[in-house]
Amino acid sequence: QAGLTQPPSVSRGLRQTATLTCTGNNNNVGNRGVAWLQQHQGRPPKVLFFRDGTRSSGISERFSASRSGNTASLTITGLQPDDEADYYCSSWDFSLHIVLFGGGTRLTVL
Amino acid sequence: QVQLVESGGGLVQPGRSLRLSCAASGFAFSRHTMHWVRQAPGKGLEWVATIWANGDNHRADFLEGRLTVSRDNPMNIVYLQLDRVRPDDTAMYFCARDIVGLPEEWGQGTLVTVAS
Repeated sequence: QAGLTQPPSVSRGLRQTATLTCTGNNNNVGNRGVAWLQQHQGRPPKVLFFRDGTRSSGISERFSASRSGNTASLTITGLQPDDEADYYCSSWDFSLHIVLFGGGTRLTVL
Repeated sequence: QVQLVESGGGLVQPGRSLRLSCAASGFAFSRHTMHWVRQAPGKGLEWVATIWANGDNHRADFLEGRLTVSRDNPMNIVYLQLDRVRPDDTAMYFCARDIVGLPEEWGQGTLVTVAS
């Protein structure tokens, strides 16, 4: 089935900034926004940002989310070792009436 | 405190059926859309089904014909039944609460292994 496009991996140094992208189309990202999820190895996903752009409770302000057209972005500043995780975007596709996920981006903090 | 507790996973033989449950607490369950999402070992997240508060549901095409989802609002439980399971159904199965239109609050998951 259709999905959202994320780069498989991103590597940045400690205290640097990482920007992760998520690309869809007008039926999903462009009109419905995305949720961003963080998943550490062996743990369930945890929401960072809700579809409406609201930061989830307890999430550091080092994390920010934005969207331009059909591409959404998650930016993490001042990278810390605990930021090393898999990051997924998710959106509702109103044409297919399904939830779409990106393939996930593995963030490595060097 | 919101809790979502999945159960019913384990080892299942190919061709058999499995039934998973997700017990919810700490929120007005009957008002919320719920989702099932699965994750095969080492793979990404894969949407399985969405069930709305009134029980209407939508299931992934690739599981159509094998998948039934339902909910018991008075008991705060959502169910997933998968028939004629196959080895590629092996995955962690998560239920998730819909807060702003997507799976946003997740349970711990229950692991299903399909093998003989």
